[in-house]
Amino acid sequence: AQSVTQPDIHITVSEGASLELRCNYSYGATPYLFWYVQSPGQGLQLLLKYFSGDTLVQGIKGFEAEFKRSQSSFNLRKPSVHWSDAAEYFCAVRGDYKLSFGAGTTVTVRA
Amino acid sequence: KAGVTQTPRYLIKTRGQQVTLSCSPISGHRSVSWYQQTPGQGLQFLFEYFSETQRNKGNFPGRFSGRQFSNSRSEMNVSTLELGDSALYLCASSLNPAEQYFGPGTRLTVT
Repeated sequence: AQSVTQPDIHITVSEGASLELRCNYSYGATPYLFWYVQSPGQGLQLLLKYFSGDTLVQGIKGFEAEFKRSQSSFNLRKPSVHWSDAAEYFCAVRGDYKLSFGAGTTVTVRA
Repeated sequence: KAGVTQTPRYLIKTRGQQVTLSCSPISGHRSVSWYQQTPGQGLQFLFEYFSETQRNKGNFPGRFSGRQFSNSRSEMNVSTLELGDSALYLCASSLNPAEQYFGPGTRLTVT
């Protein structure tokens, strides 16, 4: 069975600073990996995905993620955070038939 | 192209009642999945439908059921509501099995 661990429950970052969110996954085969963002009271918006190929993937809103098979990781990064990036972020892995999500990381942006 | 729509957005029900939630997928998407999101359990897979057939089901009691219509619209039903059923119910549609796009969710409160 697949699983996802997001070690950081909450991260606070200053506006303009860089952001990195950690994600570790467990899945026997080649994983399909995703990052989603959720604003309060909203659904999940797909930020980016990794299926195969280049291990550095670019997404929307200036986000990127790097797949590292040796570390079973898929960390999300943004070079310069904007106040509108305050939200909850979920890493997910697609297994046999479903998405399995991490517990999420809440990002607070301070002025 | 319009996104995934879910109705109603908010719902308040009493214990013991039943409820039906509706999801309209993105045009052309034939697969619909349902997820339950709670603070305690996070995001959990309920079931997946494709071409009017339930393909997969998560670990939920039989009180949770769903169906899909020929136009790919889907409904989920919860009978004999319990307080613990209070959650955000998210619907996701996909063109291919891996990449899912989520709706805004239905917030169900059981009193």
